[in-house]
Amino acid sequence: NAGVTQTPKFQVLKTGQSMTLQCAQDMNHNSMYWYRQDPGMGLRLIYYSASEGTTDKGEVPNGYNVSRLNKREFSLRLESAAPSQTSVYFCASSDSNQPQHFGDGTRLSIL
Amino acid sequence: AQSVTQPDIHITVSEGASLELRCNYSYGATPYLFWYVQSPGQGLQLLLKYFSGDTLVQGIKGFEAEFKRSQSSFNLRKPSVHWSDAAEYFCAVGLARSNYQLIWGAGTKLIIKP
Repeated sequence: NAGVTQTPKFQVLKTGQSMTLQCAQDMNHNSMYWYRQDPGMGLRLIYYSASEGTTDKGEVPNGYNVSRLNKREFSLRLESAAPSQTSVYFCASSDSNQPQHFGDGTRLSIL
Repeated sequence: AQSVTQPDIHITVSEGASLELRCNYSYGATPYLFWYVQSPGQGLQLLLKYFSGDTLVQGIKGFEAEFKRSQSSFNLRKPSVHWSDAAEYFCAVGLARSNYQLIWGAGTKLIIKP
């Protein structure tokens, strides 16, 4: 019973490198979300996808791109990583007005 | 603009004592309200939710929360805390008019004294 699976769990990058964070859900949810979590700031929405084929910016989209590959998968890409993007990244999924289900997070450090 | 305020960054409670975590929101319509818990190094787990109806909602792990429209509050309570309740707690408001995006509070870290 996997729920929301994020890979990798940990990653260290150098400034300027690129990488893609992967997220997959097996609950047949329509909506998927990417958040970042920084100390004392709660969760901030980066991008979301209300349904397959659509994506929209959240509160802090700069420096990120997303792809809703299919109904199950929603990836987050950092094209040129910056130290300010050091954070814990969470993927979540839900249906309409139902609670969001979260993955265990990706801990990303950018040197 | 919509916002969620959790006024307490940290709360320390003795094991066995009662707990109340505060959450206030600013939103022009009746919101969907959630409490989530995050243990260290883990993702977020839903404790309880309020969509409509009875303003006192029961959740998992013995938690409950009460929606008070007049105070724009959704405080979380537990009659007797256990050491395993030590975690960070997040209140969130769901925006029906914005595709059910969630606006999050900054969190309250609960510390349990033995």
